[in-house]
Amino acid sequence: GAVVSQHPSWVICKSGTSVKIECRSLDFQATTMFWYRQFPKQSLMLMATSNEGSKATYEQGVEKDKFLINHASLTLSTLTVTSAHPEDSSFYICSARVLPATGTGTYEQYFGPGTRLTVT
Amino acid sequence: QKEVEQDPGPLSVPEGAIVSLNCTYSNSAFQYFMWYRQYSRKGPELLMYTYSSGNKEDGRFTAQVDKSSKYISLFIRDSQPSDSANYLCAMSAGYGNKLVFGAGTILRVKS
Repeated sequence: GAVVSQHPSWVICKSGTSVKIECRSLDFQATTMFWYRQFPKQSLMLMATSNEGSKATYEQGVEKDKFLINHASLTLSTLTVTSAHPEDSSFYICSARVLPATGTGTYEQYFGPGTRLTVT
Repeated sequence: QKEVEQDPGPLSVPEGAIVSLNCTYSNSAFQYFMWYRQYSRKGPELLMYTYSSGNKEDGRFTAQVDKSSKYISLFIRDSQPSDSANYLCAMSAGYGNKLVFGAGTILRVKS
Protein backbone atom coordinates (compact mmCIF):
# COMPACT_ATOMS: atom_id res chain seq x y z
CA GLY A 1 0.00 0.00 0.00
CA ALA A 2 0.88 3.65 -0.28
CA VAL A 3 3.01 5.23 2.44
CA VAL A 4 2.21 8.46 4.25
CA SER A 5 4.66 9.97 6.70
CA GLN A 6 4.20 12.60 9.37
CA HIS A 7 6.71 14.74 11.19
CA PRO A 8 7.17 15.15 14.05
CA SER A 9 5.72 12.03 15.66
CA TRP A 10 5.31 13.87 18.93
CA VAL A 11 5.80 17.43 20.09
CA ILE A 12 5.52 19.29 23.36
CA CYS A 13 5.09 23.05 23.22
CA LYS A 14 4.24 25.88 25.55
CA SER A 15 0.88 27.57 25.55
CA GLY A 16 0.77 30.46 23.09
CA THR A 17 3.33 29.09 20.65
CA SER A 18 2.69 27.67 17.19
CA VAL A 19 3.43 24.17 15.99
CA LYS A 20 3.77 22.91 12.43
CA ILE A 21 3.06 19.31 11.46
CA GLU A 22 4.11 17.95 8.08
CA CYS A 23 2.37 15.23 6.11
CA ARG A 24 4.04 13.64 3.09
CA SER A 25 2.95 11.02 0.60
CA LEU A 26 6.16 9.12 -0.07
CA ASP A 27 5.47 6.99 -3.11
CA PHE A 28 2.45 8.56 -4.77
CA GLN A 29 0.96 11.91 -5.59
CA ALA A 30 -1.98 13.06 -3.53
CA THR A 31 -4.14 15.84 -4.86
CA THR A 32 -6.24 15.58 -1.73
CA MET A 33 -5.06 15.23 1.86
CA PHE A 34 -7.10 15.20 5.02
CA TRP A 35 -6.37 16.23 8.58
CA TYR A 36 -8.01 14.42 11.47
CA ARG A 37 -7.98 14.79 15.20
CA GLN A 38 -8.43 11.89 17.56
CA PHE A 39 -9.10 12.01 21.28
CA PRO A 40 -8.29 9.00 23.51
CA LYS A 41 -10.59 6.05 22.86
CA GLN A 42 -12.56 7.97 20.28
CA SER A 43 -12.86 7.80 16.53
CA LEU A 44 -11.27 10.12 14.04
CA MET A 45 -12.75 13.58 13.64
CA LEU A 46 -12.21 15.18 10.26
CA MET A 47 -10.88 18.70 10.65
CA ALA A 48 -10.28 19.76 7.06
CA THR A 49 -9.78 18.64 3.50
CA SER A 50 -6.71 19.97 1.75
CA ASN A 51 -6.47 20.20 -2.02
CA GLU A 52 -3.17 20.94 -3.72
CA GLY A 53 -2.97 24.52 -4.87
CA SER A 54 -6.21 25.70 -3.30
CA LYS A 55 -7.59 26.69 0.07
CA ALA A 56 -8.50 23.99 2.52
CA THR A 57 -12.12 23.19 3.30
CA TYR A 58 -12.76 23.13 7.03
CA GLU A 59 -15.41 21.11 8.82
CA GLN A 60 -18.02 22.88 10.85
CA GLY A 61 -16.71 24.01 14.21
CA VAL A 62 -13.03 23.94 13.21
CA GLU A 63 -11.35 27.35 13.41
CA LYS A 64 -9.52 27.96 10.15
CA ASP A 65 -7.46 30.80 11.65
CA LYS A 66 -6.25 28.52 14.40
CA PHE A 67 -5.52 25.45 12.29
CA LEU A 68 -3.71 26.70 9.21
CA ILE A 69 -3.40 24.20 6.39
CA ASN A 70 -1.14 24.52 3.40
CA HIS A 71 -0.99 22.00 0.55
CA ALA A 72 1.91 23.37 -1.43
CA SER A 73 2.70 20.33 -3.55
CA LEU A 74 1.27 16.97 -4.56
CA THR A 75 3.26 15.25 -1.84
CA LEU A 76 3.21 17.70 1.07
CA SER A 77 0.57 19.22 3.29
CA THR A 78 1.21 21.07 6.54
CA LEU A 79 -0.98 21.81 9.54
CA THR A 80 0.02 24.69 11.77
CA VAL A 81 -1.63 24.98 15.16
CA THR A 82 -1.37 28.66 16.00
CA SER A 83 -1.33 30.07 19.53
CA ALA A 84 -1.70 26.59 20.95
CA HIS A 85 -3.56 26.02 24.19
CA PRO A 86 -3.76 22.93 26.43
CA GLU A 87 -7.16 22.04 24.94
CA ASP A 88 -5.42 21.64 21.56
CA SER A 89 -3.48 18.70 22.96
CA SER A 90 -4.49 15.72 20.88
CA PHE A 91 -3.43 13.12 18.34
CA TYR A 92 -3.37 14.65 14.86
CA ILE A 93 -3.44 12.31 11.87
CA CYS A 94 -3.15 13.15 8.20
CA SER A 95 -4.39 11.07 5.34
CA ALA A 96 -3.84 11.07 1.59
CA ARG A 97 -6.16 9.81 -1.07
CA VAL A 98 -4.80 7.84 -3.97
CA LEU A 99 -6.00 8.96 -7.36
CA PRO A 100 -8.38 6.41 -8.88
CA ALA A 101 -7.18 4.40 -11.83
CA THR A 102 -8.90 5.46 -15.03
CA GLY A 103 -12.28 3.81 -15.42
CA THR A 104 -12.34 2.08 -12.05
CA GLY A 105 -13.95 4.82 -10.02
CA THR A 106 -12.23 3.40 -6.98
CA TYR A 107 -10.00 5.09 -4.49
CA GLU A 108 -8.20 4.29 -1.31
CA GLN A 109 -7.20 6.51 1.56
CA TYR A 110 -4.00 5.97 3.52
CA PHE A 111 -3.10 7.41 6.89
CA GLY A 112 0.07 8.72 8.40
CA PRO A 113 1.37 7.47 11.76
CA GLY A 114 0.01 10.49 13.62
CA THR A 115 1.51 13.33 15.67
CA ARG A 116 0.89 13.58 19.37
CA LEU A 117 0.73 17.22 20.44
CA THR A 118 0.98 18.17 24.09
CA VAL A 119 0.55 21.82 25.02
CA THR A 120 1.74 22.74 28.49
CA GLN B 1 -28.77 8.71 14.78
CA LYS B 2 -25.17 8.47 13.61
CA GLU B 3 -24.50 7.77 9.96
CA VAL B 4 -22.32 4.81 10.90
CA GLU B 5 -22.85 2.71 14.01
CA GLN B 6 -20.17 0.45 15.40
CA ASP B 7 -20.09 -1.35 18.72
CA PRO B 8 -17.10 0.09 20.60
CA GLY B 9 -16.43 -3.10 22.55
CA PRO B 10 -14.05 -3.98 24.00
CA LEU B 11 -14.28 -7.42 22.47
CA SER B 12 -12.13 -10.04 24.17
CA VAL B 13 -11.51 -13.43 22.56
CA PRO B 14 -9.08 -16.32 23.05
CA GLU B 15 -6.29 -16.90 20.58
CA GLY B 16 -7.46 -18.90 17.57
CA ALA B 17 -11.07 -17.71 17.76
CA ILE B 18 -13.02 -16.35 14.81
CA VAL B 19 -13.77 -12.67 15.32
CA SER B 20 -16.71 -10.87 13.79
CA LEU B 21 -16.74 -7.08 13.69
CA ASN B 22 -19.73 -5.21 12.33
CA CYS B 23 -21.01 -1.82 11.29
CA THR B 24 -24.40 -0.60 10.22
CA TYR B 25 -25.07 2.56 8.30
CA SER B 26 -27.99 4.71 7.25
CA ASN B 27 -26.79 6.43 4.08
CA SER B 28 -27.79 4.33 1.06
CA ALA B 29 -25.40 6.36 -1.11
CA PHE B 30 -22.36 4.71 0.46
CA GLN B 31 -20.58 2.53 -2.09
CA TYR B 32 -17.00 2.26 -0.85
CA PHE B 33 -16.35 0.37 2.36
CA MET B 34 -13.10 0.04 4.24
CA TRP B 35 -11.75 -1.51 7.40
CA TYR B 36 -8.82 0.04 9.18
CA ARG B 37 -6.74 -1.37 12.01
CA GLN B 38 -5.23 1.06 14.49
CA TYR B 39 -2.68 0.09 17.09
CA SER B 40 -2.34 2.26 20.17
CA ARG B 41 -0.74 5.63 19.42
CA LYS B 42 -0.43 4.83 15.71
CA GLY B 43 -2.25 5.92 12.58
CA PRO B 44 -4.95 3.69 11.04
CA GLU B 45 -3.74 1.04 8.60
CA LEU B 46 -5.96 0.08 5.66
CA LEU B 47 -6.88 -3.59 5.98
CA MET B 48 -9.65 -4.22 3.53
CA TYR B 49 -11.33 -2.22 0.78
CA THR B 50 -14.60 -3.24 -0.86
CA TYR B 51 -16.69 -1.61 -3.52
CA SER B 52 -20.47 -2.17 -3.41
CA SER B 53 -21.87 -5.47 -2.14
CA GLY B 54 -20.09 -8.79 -1.87
CA ASN B 55 -17.23 -10.54 -0.14
CA LYS B 56 -13.50 -9.99 -0.26
CA GLU B 57 -10.90 -12.24 1.28
CA ASP B 58 -7.27 -11.51 2.11
CA GLY B 59 -5.47 -14.12 4.16
CA ARG B 60 -7.18 -14.47 7.52
CA PHE B 61 -9.42 -11.49 6.85
CA THR B 62 -12.78 -11.48 5.06
CA ALA B 63 -14.86 -8.39 4.46
CA GLN B 64 -18.55 -8.63 3.66
CA VAL B 65 -20.89 -5.91 2.47
CA ASP B 66 -24.67 -6.27 2.37
CA LYS B 67 -26.01 -3.05 0.92
CA SER B 68 -29.62 -4.22 1.09
CA SER B 69 -29.30 -4.45 4.88
CA LYS B 70 -26.81 -1.57 5.16
CA TYR B 71 -24.51 -3.87 7.09
CA ILE B 72 -20.82 -4.61 6.75
CA SER B 73 -18.65 -7.14 8.53
CA LEU B 74 -15.02 -8.02 9.00
CA PHE B 75 -14.14 -11.59 9.95
CA ILE B 76 -10.78 -12.54 11.35
CA ARG B 77 -9.95 -16.25 11.34
CA ASP B 78 -7.42 -17.86 13.68
CA SER B 79 -7.07 -14.65 15.63
CA GLN B 80 -3.66 -13.84 17.08
CA PRO B 81 -2.57 -11.62 19.98
CA SER B 82 -1.01 -9.34 17.35
CA ASP B 83 -4.53 -8.71 16.04
CA SER B 84 -5.31 -6.83 19.26
CA ALA B 85 -6.08 -3.30 18.10
CA ASN B 86 -8.86 -0.83 17.42
CA TYR B 87 -10.78 -1.70 14.24
CA LEU B 88 -12.53 1.13 12.44
CA CYS B 89 -15.03 0.76 9.64
CA ALA B 90 -15.23 3.61 7.16
CA MET B 91 -17.34 4.31 4.14
CA SER B 92 -17.94 6.86 1.44
CA ALA B 93 -20.36 7.64 -1.35
CA GLY B 94 -17.59 8.24 -3.82
CA TYR B 95 -14.30 9.90 -4.68
CA GLY B 96 -15.56 13.42 -4.10
CA ASN B 97 -17.09 12.54 -0.74
CA LYS B 98 -15.42 12.36 2.64
CA LEU B 99 -14.86 9.14 4.54
CA VAL B 100 -17.28 8.55 7.41
CA PHE B 101 -15.91 6.48 10.27
CA GLY B 102 -17.50 4.25 12.83
CA ALA B 103 -16.54 4.69 16.47
CA GLY B 104 -14.10 1.77 16.29
CA THR B 105 -14.17 -1.59 18.09
CA ILE B 106 -11.35 -2.44 20.47
CA LEU B 107 -10.34 -6.08 20.05
CA ARG B 108 -8.26 -8.01 22.55
CA VAL B 109 -6.98 -11.46 21.65
CA LYS B 110 -5.76 -13.32 24.70
CA SER B 111 -2.96 -15.86 24.40
